[in-house]
Amino acid sequence: GAVVSQHPSWVICKSGTSVKIECRSLDFQATTMFWYRQFPKQSLMLMATSNEGSKATYEQGVEKDKFLINHASLTLSTLTVTSAHPEDSSFYICSARVIAAGGSYEQYFGPGTRLTVT
Amino acid sequence: QKEVEQNSGPLSVPEGAIASLNCTYSDRGSQSFFWYRQYSGKSPELIMFIYSNGDKEDGRFTAQLNKASQYVSLLIRDSQPSDSATYLCAVLTSYDKVIFGPGTSLSVIP
Repeated sequence: GAVVSQHPSWVICKSGTSVKIECRSLDFQATTMFWYRQFPKQSLMLMATSNEGSKATYEQGVEKDKFLINHASLTLSTLTVTSAHPEDSSFYICSARVIAAGGSYEQYFGPGTRLTVT
Repeated sequence: QKEVEQNSGPLSVPEGAIASLNCTYSDRGSQSFFWYRQYSGKSPELIMFIYSNGDKEDGRFTAQLNKASQYVSLLIRDSQPSDSATYLCAVLTSYDKVIFGPGTSLSVIP
């Protein structure tokens, strides 16, 4: 399957600071990437859909001014958590969509970034 | 009604048995369905995807899809302790978003 990387894999930051998370598709070009958040013992919740060269589409309840998404190239999307607070502590996972032969979709996930805000 | 529903479990099966995981979805226009496995603290790993009604087999895994009933399942044959994980059902909805179910925790007892 396709490989998606994320950096950093974990980060601890102080309340009020900003953190940037990078998501890269390593062996394919991804026109669409997705950002998910997962709290302990819960499922993945879609935060936003990121299309290369255009503004991200945010899910209801996700503050776009707090979670800045940039998809500057076909292999890189970034999520910046601005003015982080302890309640933002979570596992952030990006995913890239691959359109396979025949037009079917496959979606591959990065390894995730565990953010802890103190 | 939640968009994708799964039994939360935990589901316990003895080693070597068949584990059956179920998922229902609400968007009748959904066309693509995925099963992911997630170990604690790790990111989800794609196991199988299915688009057509019927069964799709890959090794010890069989996915079953019934669009009329809006139901998709995953069977794991000859379950191994290493299969112990949370299994997430995901659905590509008609509005082009992949939505995840809450996951079913599977425990395979040696």
